[in-house]
Amino acid sequence: AQKVTQAQTEISVVEKEDVTLDCVYETRDTTYYLFWYKQPPSGELVFLIRRNSFDEQNEISGRYSWNFQKSTSSFNFTITASQVVDSAVYFCALTLNQAGTALIFGKGTTLSVSS
Amino acid sequence: EPEVTQTPSHQVTQMGQEVILRCVPISNHLYFYWYRQILGQKVEFLVSFYNNEISEKSEIFDDQFSVERPDGSNFTLKIRSTKLEDSAMYFCASSDQLGLRTDTQYFGPGTRLTVL
Repeated sequence: AQKVTQAQTEISVVEKEDVTLDCVYETRDTTYYLFWYKQPPSGELVFLIRRNSFDEQNEISGRYSWNFQKSTSSFNFTITASQVVDSAVYFCALTLNQAGTALIFGKGTTLSVSS
Repeated sequence: EPEVTQTPSHQVTQMGQEVILRCVPISNHLYFYWYRQILGQKVEFLVSFYNNEISEKSEIFDDQFSVERPDGSNFTLKIRSTKLEDSAMYFCASSDQLGLRTDTQYFGPGTRLTVL
């Protein structure tokens, strides 16, 4: 069975601080996909990134960066120079390499950025 | 940019009543999903749907639930006899198909169901 653990329930930072959200996953499959979604206070789920299990390259997109390490089954998300608009719940999720398969979500990390 | 839409945004119903939640997936997508999120908790998978059949379902998706694609655009979730514990945010999602491999699921804004 697949499992996603986000050990940090809540994180509070001050604007311009860097913050890293941790995600650890479990699966016996060799091919899988990892995702991060953002849920702002308005409630929708916004796709941020997708990474397949064969691609361990780190990715940077503006202030966001992701560190995928298969050796430790982790897919961590870093926000550089955080802003108030980054305040949201962030979910890490896992799915297998098969169309139509469920996304398995972690419990989410609530990030609060204050000015 | 294409997006998943859901109606209504908020539905209030009495326990024991039937509700139908509606979704319009992204037009060229082939896979459709329902998830739910009880307030303050994680997002949980309910069911996936492809080619007019259920592709996968979770333990939550019992006989009280059903899904349907009544026409070429809508995708619905029916709860036959609502219970208090069905109160949650229900998200619809859709994805394209990369051959037989998974693709990103894009979510709608959700329908908040309140059962009184």
